[in-house]
Amino acid sequence: QSALTQPRSVSGSPGQSVTISCTGTSSDVGGYNYVSWFQQHPGKAPKLMIYDVSQRPSGVPDRFSGSKSGNTASLTISGLQGEDEADYHCYSYAGTYTYVFGTGTKVIVL
Amino acid sequence: EVQLVQSGAEVKKPGESLKISCKGSGFSFTSYWIGWVRQMPEKGMEWMGIVYPADSDVRYSPSFRGQVTISVAKSDSTAYLQWSSLKASDTAIYYCLRLDDYQFDYWGQGTLVTVSS
Repeated sequence: QSALTQPRSVSGSPGQSVTISCTGTSSDVGGYNYVSWFQQHPGKAPKLMIYDVSQRPSGVPDRFSGSKSGNTASLTISGLQGEDEADYHCYSYAGTYTYVFGTGTKVIVL
Repeated sequence: EVQLVQSGAEVKKPGESLKISCKGSGFSFTSYWIGWVRQMPEKGMEWMGIVYPADSDVRYSPSFRGQVTISVAKSDSTAYLQWSSLKASDTAIYYCLRLDDYQFDYWGQGTLVTVSS
């Protein structure tokens, strides 16, 4: 199974919006509404930010939103803040107890 | 409070064996699948497999089947990941996680495994 494709990095100034794409296939992203995103600060454990394409766990700011179209899922961070600078990874259910992760994207706050 | 606490960093030589652990607390350990992922230096995550503590059912990623062994001791609420013969390419951070309805809602803090001669 190939990794989901994400841009290596995206950047934006404080207050701006950035969108991260996560492209897979009809066997993973396109086939199920079980795409999630997590945030990872250097040396820290990952934190779930979005699940089931667009759902936010309690405690996650509504600046974070998710969507999906076809084989591509997206994470949008609106009103970018300095604390949002981190690595973001997507992952998708791929059937029969298997999951596939994205290549990871570094968000840079200018 | 839900917690997954992993064992500490390890430094091993090629060919050595290793077993790392992930202890769950604050939830019914036997009611959730527990998974393992690998993060190699400067790389994305890779799905390794999951185990269901209630009956020790294990499902491996095809990429890792035969390379590692996932097990569980439900009486101790602990999941394990083990290697019989480490390679330098096993150098990575390994995370355990809890699976709840297709989402990984809680993660361990990670265990750094370094394999070097």
